[in-house]
Amino acid sequence: AAGVIQSPRHLIKEKRETATLKCYPIPRHDTVYWYQQGPGQDPQFLISFYEKMQSDKGSIPDRFSAQQFSDYHSELNMSSLELGDSALYFCASSLRFSSGSPYEQYFGPGTRLTVT
Amino acid sequence: AQTVTQSQPEMSVQEAETVTLSCTYDTSESDYYLFWYKQPPSRQMILVIRQEAYKQQNATENRFSVNFQKAAKSFSLKISDSQLGDAAMYFCAYRRDGSNYKLTFGKGTLLTVNP
Repeated sequence: AAGVIQSPRHLIKEKRETATLKCYPIPRHDTVYWYQQGPGQDPQFLISFYEKMQSDKGSIPDRFSAQQFSDYHSELNMSSLELGDSALYFCASSLRFSSGSPYEQYFGPGTRLTVT
Repeated sequence: AQTVTQSQPEMSVQEAETVTLSCTYDTSESDYYLFWYKQPPSRQMILVIRQEAYKQQNATENRFSVNFQKAAKSFSLKISDSQLGDAAMYFCAYRRDGSNYKLTFGKGTLLTVNP
């Protein structure tokens, strides 16, 4: 079965640079979530989109922005990178109306961002 | 706001033995979901088991089972016949029922399985 795809898997950037992370949800899934997991930390919710509209927002810095496109893929744009942005960034997707497990979130493998 | 607490930062178990990981949560909602996720060294987040709050029966998935105590807001994970591959970080997570709500995670419990 198709899974959530994230690219790139690893990214190294310098301070003050910009990074773009991409997420391709499971086909037919209409909701995308972004989580940030710092070293030794639990995943923290950043933002989510349903049908290309922002549906919820967590502790996402103003330097970060995200959107969901017409093909349902999502991009997380991060500007003015700081050392503290080094983390594993997960994307998850879900299907709002499902006969099985509605809203079940399926995680991608994550993008490891290192800021030097 | 909902909070999830895992009071055991680390646990260890002998191979083939049973171990229980603890989780408590705080919410004012009556309908919600609880999850246990496994994160091995690969860092992939793997769903282990799910419990719907409206169900009184405890969820079971092969060697994994939960003890869900709604009144006490407790949700523990029992791993039977532990295997070396069970070694991982385990996160307890909460999600409100309805729509597409975020997951709120606990701090995690690092499980070591000794041969």
